[in-house]
Amino acid sequence: AQTVTQSQPEMSVQEAETVTLSCTYDTSESDYYLFWYKQPPSRQMILVIRQEAYKQQNATENRFSVNFQKAAKSFSLKISDSQLGDAAMYFCADIQGAQKLVFGQGTRLTINP
Amino acid sequence: DTEVTQTPKHLVMGMTNKKSLKCEQHMGHRAMYWYKQKAKKPPELMFVYSYEKLSINESVPSRFSPECPNSSLLNLHLHALQPEDSALYLCASSRTSGIYNEQFFGPGTRLTVL
Repeated sequence: AQTVTQSQPEMSVQEAETVTLSCTYDTSESDYYLFWYKQPPSRQMILVIRQEAYKQQNATENRFSVNFQKAAKSFSLKISDSQLGDAAMYFCADIQGAQKLVFGQGTRLTINP
Repeated sequence: DTEVTQTPKHLVMGMTNKKSLKCEQHMGHRAMYWYKQKAKKPPELMFVYSYEKLSINESVPSRFSPECPNSSLLNLHLHALQPEDSALYLCASSRTSGIYNEQFFGPGTRLTVL
């Protein structure tokens, strides 16, 4: 079975600083996508960034970037210039069997003003 | 319109009640999903509909009955639920099923079973 592991239940960062959230995954698929979703207190899951496994270049979306290490099966999220609105639960996920999103346990990120 | 809507936002029901959750999208997506999320846990997939046909049922108890009347609408019918079924129920949609398609989530329905 595919698993996604987030080893940091909670993280905190000062506003305007940079923080990195860790994620490892285990898949036997040759082609797959990896995702970071954000779930603020409003509950809505929002896609932050996604990485296609066959692309060596790390994905970037404004202040959000990933460090994708395919051989190590590692997929970390870096948030630069942290803002108060970044406070949320962050879930790493991969897509299994072409339809099923499998999520890690989540990392609760707190932004300190 | 890039929105998935869910109604109601909150639902409280007794174990003998019958109720339904509704999910709607107008993005032309042909895949729709139900997830269940317990407190402080990640979402877990329950059902997937692809082109209005049920394609995945993750061994969900029969007291949960999904329905996809058309490509824009997804219902989850609830009957004889247990208190442990209390959770946030999230609906999502994607252009089609498959790894290349981003899933868009609705805000969820918070269900409490008494």
